[in-house]
Amino acid sequence: NAGVTQTPKFQVLKTGQSMTLQCAQDMNHEYMSWYRQDPGMGLRLIHYSVGAGITDQGEVPNGYNVSRSTTEDFPLRLLSAAPSQTSVYFCASSRIDGTNQPQHFGDGTRLSIL
Amino acid sequence: QQQVKQSPQSLIVQKGGIPIINCAYENTAFDYFPWYQQFPGKGPALLIAIRPDVSEKKEGRFTISFNKSAKQFSLHIMDSQPGDSATYFCAASILNTGGFKTIFGAGTRLFVKA
Repeated sequence: NAGVTQTPKFQVLKTGQSMTLQCAQDMNHEYMSWYRQDPGMGLRLIHYSVGAGITDQGEVPNGYNVSRSTTEDFPLRLLSAAPSQTSVYFCASSRIDGTNQPQHFGDGTRLSIL
Repeated sequence: QQQVKQSPQSLIVQKGGIPIINCAYENTAFDYFPWYQQFPGKGPALLIAIRPDVSEKKEGRFTISFNKSAKQFSLHIMDSQPGDSATYFCAASILNTGGFKTIFGAGTRLFVKA
């Protein structure tokens, strides 16, 4: 059981380039989310989805786009990368049953923007 | 009102000691308080969680104490071991339309000396 799989693990981009971070889960979870982790700031929610075709913004959505065409996949797009987007990005998934639930995280994508 | 404040930023204890990590929140609508453990190069993983209808929860060497009136909760690690050296995040979750939203503390880096 793979859980939550993120690709790539590492990436270096130049300012202005675009990129898609991939996230896939095999637990049939309805809820998926993207966080960025920066030193001293914990994890901040970028976007989340409660099911295929449904997405919403988190705390820090600017500069990022998401879509959810299937239950399994939730890609995160950077349309024009900026140095401020240098961070470690984590994808997470959880089931939804009307109560708060623990999230299952991938191992992250380490992204550097030059 | 959505913040979760975590302290200390870092903590060093001797093997066998009892590190304590504290968190505070403002929004009384939070109704799920998980703690996540993160090792270098990995994603956070759920360690233990509590809901506000109980004041304490123990799982093995890990205990959450919860004070609803003070809006504070803490993690205690009994008989700490070098393998417990990791970053710990507290979090608070709130239900919203169709799902939930989780706010993380800034994290505590714990080092347990052998």
